[in-house]
Amino acid sequence: TQLLEQSPQFLSIQEGENLTVYCNSSSVFSSLQWYRQEPGEGPVLLVTVVTGGEVKKLKRLTFQFGDARKDSSLHITAAQPGDTGLYLCAGPQYNFNKFYFGSGTKLNVKP
Amino acid sequence: NAGVMQNPRHLVRRRGQEARLRCSPMKGHSHVYWYRQLPEEGLKFMVYLQKENIIDESGMPKERFSAEFPKEGPSILRIQQVVRGDSAAYFCASSPNRGYNQPQHFGDGTRLSIL
Repeated sequence: TQLLEQSPQFLSIQEGENLTVYCNSSSVFSSLQWYRQEPGEGPVLLVTVVTGGEVKKLKRLTFQFGDARKDSSLHITAAQPGDTGLYLCAGPQYNFNKFYFGSGTKLNVKP
Repeated sequence: NAGVMQNPRHLVRRRGQEARLRCSPMKGHSHVYWYRQLPEEGLKFMVYLQKENIIDESGMPKERFSAEFPKEGPSILRIQQVVRGDSAAYFCASSPNRGYNQPQHFGDGTRLSIL
């Protein structure tokens, strides 16, 4: 069983549409990270959210950390083909000896 | 400022052979994490090392797999007597320290194929 569940698993949309992807857990995390991974490459960190209820914006991307620090969402406004990729959330074990990753949301933005 | 370097990028081995995967962390980083990824899936933690020490190897199979991070040189993930099920992408990440404000920087992985 996955400690972090991501939904949807796959998402295919047209350029210009908005979308939200989710990362949920039954466990509390001290922080959560969001990564984007493109084929043949390693994940690249987008953001770390630390405080419950926190909202962070990165251009057209808005990240939110749930009040109880068990879930997070990523909202993309006016998606572009360059947003295509695998979006992963990850959370640390309490002592940061390991990180748990969700299984990802594969996003395809069609021009 | 070079990023995390992994080599080889692709490695083909026959069943029963040994695979050695190398990871050179970013300059100044003394913490290395190894992960395994199957197609269309997330990353699964394998092992966490600091220079010359294994801190947490709870995600790594006890048989056939070993990891090291010597004082000098890259971190090595070694798989002995490989089997078909070892086929996957293996990623390493480095960070300067532990903590939420110490982001992991990933290499581009080694894709291991077992014939």
